Amino acid sequence: QSVLTQPPSVSAAPGQKVTISCSGSNSNIGNNYVSWYQQLPGTAPKLLIYDNNQRPSGIPDRFSGSKSGTSATLAITGLQTGDEADYYCATWDTNMNAGGVFGGGTKLTVL
Amino acid sequence: QVHLQESGPGLVTPSETLSLTCSVSGGSIRDHFWTWVRLPPGKGLQWIGHIYFTGETNHNPSLEGRVTISLDPSKNQVSLRLASVTAADAAVYYCARVSYSGTYYDQWGLGILVAVSS
Repeated sequence: QSVLTQPPSVSAAPGQKVTISCSGSNSNIGNNYVSWYQQLPGTAPKLLIYDNNQRPSGIPDRFSGSKSGTSATLAITGLQTGDEADYYCATWDTNMNAGGVFGGGTKLTVL
Repeated sequence: QVHLQESGPGLVTPSETLSLTCSVSGGSIRDHFWTWVRLPPGKGLQWIGHIYFTGETNHNPSLEGRVTISLDPSKNQVSLRLASVTAADAAVYYCARVSYSGTYYDQWGLGILVAVSS
C-alpha cells in the first residue's frame, strides 16, 4: 500500500479535461514539493511537473499541477490518445528519514 | 545531456543477492542524490533508496535492511545490492538522478527487468 493515495484509474474523451488527485499527510505532501511523472508502457517515467506546479521545458501547458495542504492534483486538458499512460505523484517523507515516496499510480484511459 | 544506464543480471535465484549498476555518462555524479526505484509487475513505483555523492545513504524501511547502495566516483557508477531476494523482488529496476534542488527526479535510466526464479 502506497504512502500517497491516487485513484487507480480515470478516463475521459479526447479533447476533454481530467484531473488526478494525490493525497498524503503533513509528513510528506504537507511539507514538501510534489512532482508528477508519466509512464508509457515499457518506458521509463518522464517528469511532467516539479515543485508542485512547474513544467520542465518541452512539457506542453496542457499539463498543470497544484497543491493544497496535504493533497496535490495533476490536470490534463485537451486530452489526446497519446496521453494514455500511468501517472505517478512523488514527494519526500519525514517519517522515512526524508526518503522518497510515490503514489500508487493512476491509469489514464482516453476513450 | 546526462544519460543513465542500468546493467546486471536479468535473473536472480531466490535467497541470493541482486546486484545492479547504474552507469552515468554526460555528467558527474557529484552534487546529486542518486536513487533506485522499482516497478513490480501490476504495481506502482516503489522508492528503494538513495545515495549522495558524499556516500550518505537512506533506504526504504520496508525492505528491512536488505538494501545496500554505493557509488564509485572513479567510474561514475552507482550500485544497488538487494540481499535475500524473493519472488516479490521481481520488478523493473530504475536508477534516477535527483535534481540539484533535491525536490524531484530529473533524469531516469531506461530500467532493467529482473526476474527471481530458481
